[in-house]
Amino acid sequence: SQKIEQNSEALNIQEGKTATLTCNYTNYSPAYLQWYRQDPGRGPVFLLLIRENEKEKRKERLKVTFDTTLKQSLFHITASQPADSATYLCALITSYDKVIFGPGTSLSVIP
Amino acid sequence: DVKVTQSSRYLVKRTGEKVFLECVQDMDHENMFWYRQDPGLGLRLIYFSYDVKMKEKGDIPEGYSVSREKKERFSLILESASTNQTSMYLCASSLWDRGRDTQYFGPGTRLTVL
Repeated sequence: SQKIEQNSEALNIQEGKTATLTCNYTNYSPAYLQWYRQDPGRGPVFLLLIRENEKEKRKERLKVTFDTTLKQSLFHITASQPADSATYLCALITSYDKVIFGPGTSLSVIP
Repeated sequence: DVKVTQSSRYLVKRTGEKVFLECVQDMDHENMFWYRQDPGLGLRLIYFSYDVKMKEKGDIPEGYSVSREKKERFSLILESASTNQTSMYLCASSLWDRGRDTQYFGPGTRLTVL
């Protein structure tokens, strides 16, 4: 069956460390993968998009990797800050334009 | 900045009531979407629209209908609300190609059906 999973429901890390979130999928053929941030009581906000033929994408303190062999994307936040605390969603966009969201990972950055 | 607004942040309705959720975007986007978000399940697509008066079913359309009479407005209708429709409802819009473009989300409507 087709499935998207994100690592452990909640992730706690110390301020200044690198947070690494995972997004694993099965039985999809993704053309793109997006990462969104969602704060409590708000809608998701787009962060980064990576294409299937790209290995890595960076934006300021954010880095995304995409490994279609492992069927996995990693999302890194370097030098994490308490303001980075939020839920992060990955979204797969298949080659036939279907968008599938993962359940999200709640990140808490502890001062 | 793109702005997507939803008519209500919180809504409480009774079983069997007809419920209207309104969404408006101000960026002339072609595509609009309605999702529901439940803990552990992620966002699930209910319906989307790629043009005025055009609509397509998403993954969970049962119990819902939609209306898009104007480009900027996309309405979600619960014909007869049931308790299993208690959820967070999120509207989104995008300029191009359904999912390939960035989706801009509204703040969400937390609907409780008693």
